[in-house]
Amino acid sequence: DTEVTQTPKHLVMGMTNKKSLKCEQHMGHRAMYWYKQKAKKPPELMFVYSYEKLSINESVPSRFSPECPNSSLLNLHLHALQPEDSALYLCASSLVGGTNTGELFFGEGSRLTVL
Amino acid sequence: GENVEQHPSTLSVQEGDSAVIKCTYSDSASNYFPWYKQELGKRPQLIIDIRSNVGEKKDQRIAVTLNKTAKHFSLHITETQPEDSAVYFCAYSPGNTGFQKLVFGTGTRLLVSP
Repeated sequence: DTEVTQTPKHLVMGMTNKKSLKCEQHMGHRAMYWYKQKAKKPPELMFVYSYEKLSINESVPSRFSPECPNSSLLNLHLHALQPEDSALYLCASSLVGGTNTGELFFGEGSRLTVL
Repeated sequence: GENVEQHPSTLSVQEGDSAVIKCTYSDSASNYFPWYKQELGKRPQLIIDIRSNVGEKKDQRIAVTLNKTAKHFSLHITETQPEDSAVYFCAYSPGNTGFQKLVFGTGTRLLVSP
């Protein structure tokens, strides 16, 4: 299995809602990532988990809360979002260490609309 | 700061022509430079990468060159085909992040006309 699977594909939520984005991979990758991508812009790193521990937080507002329950799963909990948070949220995974370290395998993304 | 400049922002070529995209970075400690292709509505996918211990790497019609002294790297696509049409992002990994952090360029929209 060489896929990163994200659910849901589309999500519409109000500013007072609580929702979660989910990501799963079974490639044995021990690094997992959340990126945010606005239309016609590059992906922007939000969080990195390495061996299930948060290793990088790019000063993301606390209304975004990541969670890595195990080596295959990554969640992004959303609460009290703003309309400007509407974007494509991409999950990715990669190996840690070794000669192929660095290549990111992206999921198809969850397109979030905040009303 | 951590940024990478990418040019051009759009590039239109005829099928069979070559395409060149250039990026300039600022962190002299960087040692990993990947290129990602993102087709419309699809996920970004790695097409080629280069590490700082080599100056050039080739994979069929795609090549990447790296000039560490000048802090720039370039993507070269030869014999372009319509299916090469996509947005291409260069990226680099800041020197102290163990490849885990990637800073992406602003992207180049390549259009290959038949």
